[in-house]
Amino acid sequence: AQSVTQPDIHITVSEGASLELRCNYSYGATPYLFWYVQSPGQGLQLLLKYFSGDTLVQGIKGFEAEFKISQSSFNLRKPSVHWSDAAEYFCAVASSGGYQKVTFGTGTKLQVIP
Amino acid sequence: DTGVSQNPRHKITKRGQNVTFRCDPISEHNRLYWYRQTLGQGPEFLTYFQNEAQLEKSRLLSDRFSAERPKGSFSTLEIQRTEQGDSAMYLCASSLGLDGELFFGEGSRLTVL
Repeated sequence: AQSVTQPDIHITVSEGASLELRCNYSYGATPYLFWYVQSPGQGLQLLLKYFSGDTLVQGIKGFEAEFKISQSSFNLRKPSVHWSDAAEYFCAVASSGGYQKVTFGTGTKLQVIP
Repeated sequence: DTGVSQNPRHKITKRGQNVTFRCDPISEHNRLYWYRQTLGQGPEFLTYFQNEAQLEKSRLLSDRFSAERPKGSFSTLEIQRTEQGDSAMYLCASSLGLDGELFFGEGSRLTVL
């Protein structure tokens, strides 16, 4: 069964600092991978997705993620964090066959300090 | 494109009552998902529809939970004889095609007293 691990429950960074959120997945083949963001009182919004091809994926709001098959990882990065980036971030995996059931990690809550 | 719509946004009920949530997906999306999210957790898969067919139901779902998607359009999630442990945010999402990208509604929060 597919699964996702986000080892960091809570991360605090200073505004303007770089950010990396970790995600490890378990799946028997090359999966589809996603990062979603959830701001307080808001629905989940897709930041970026990986299906195939270039392993460095660009998303919205200046985020990027790199798929590393050797490490079963899909870490999310941003070079300079803005206060508005404070939110909860979820990594998700879907099978590349069948109906693509999407399984989410437990999330990482990002706090941005001045 | 009006997005995924969920109603009601918040429901407070007493233990033992039945509740029903409705989800209206993006109109051309043939796939519809229900997830449940509790505080500090990621969304947990509950069930999935392709058109009107319910293709998978999580073992998390007891017999008190039932979902329908008549005519492959909107969907309802009913919880019978609610328990305090059912208190959560119930999320609906829809998608189109094979790329797995989900579009989420803002959720329906259930509080069972």
